[in-house]
Amino acid sequence: DGGITQSPKYLFRKEGQNVTLSCEQNLNHDAMYWYRQDPGQGLRLIYYSQIVNDFQKGDIAEGYSVSREKKESFPLTVTSAQKNPTAFYLCASSGLAGSYEQFFGPGTRLTVL
Amino acid sequence: DAKTTQPPSMDCAEGRAANLPCNHSTISGNEYVYWYRQIHSQGPQYIIHGLKNNETNEMASLIITEDRKSSTLILPHATLRDTAVYYCIVSLPFGNEKLTFGTGTRLTIIP
Repeated sequence: DGGITQSPKYLFRKEGQNVTLSCEQNLNHDAMYWYRQDPGQGLRLIYYSQIVNDFQKGDIAEGYSVSREKKESFPLTVTSAQKNPTAFYLCASSGLAGSYEQFFGPGTRLTVL
Repeated sequence: DAKTTQPPSMDCAEGRAANLPCNHSTISGNEYVYWYRQIHSQGPQYIIHGLKNNETNEMASLIITEDRKSSTLILPHATLRDTAVYYCIVSLPFGNEKLTFGTGTRLTIIP
C-alpha cells in the first residue's frame, strides 16, 4: 500500500536531548512537509522540502532541523534549543503542480519530560 | 495567504446534512478553497477543493458564493464517523504549496 509512515507513534525524551522523528513515503512525491500541532490548535508548518537536497523554513523553524537526502525520506530533529517540544508532529507529502492534495502520516506524539 | 474564519464548533444529527461555513473575504483571484478534516489524534484528510464553481465528490459538496468571499462544505448524510475537526484553507492551486491551518470547526454528530 502506498502512503506515509511516521515512527514511532509515541516518543518520550528527557529535557535537553535531541530527538529525530522519522517520515517515509512511497508515493513518489517530490514535496514533503513537517507540521506541529498543540492541543486544541491547528497545524503550524515547521519545514518543507520541494525537492531532494533542498528545504525551506516554515513559520516555526527555530529549534528544529531537517534533511532531505532521499526523495522518500524527510527526518525532523527536535533539538534542545526548542523551548516547548512537547507536541503532536505530522509529516505530509504532495506531488507537484496538478496534484492538489497533501497526504498526511499518522503523526508522532512527542513528550519531553 | 488569505485567512479564513470558521465557527469553533457545530453539532449535527446523524443522518442529516451537515453544513459547515467558512469566510474568506480576502481571497485572491487565483486562490482555491480547500477542505480537510482531522479525526482525533490522526493526520488530516483531504476532502474537496474548488475555485469558483460548486464541486461534489463521494465525500462532500462544496458551495462557493459568487463573490468567492465565503463557502460551505456539505456532508449530505452525516454519520458518527464524520465527527472531526474540519479545516477550511485558502491556497494557490499547486500541490506543493504551504497550507495554513486555522483552528477549524469541531463537528460533532449526535446519534
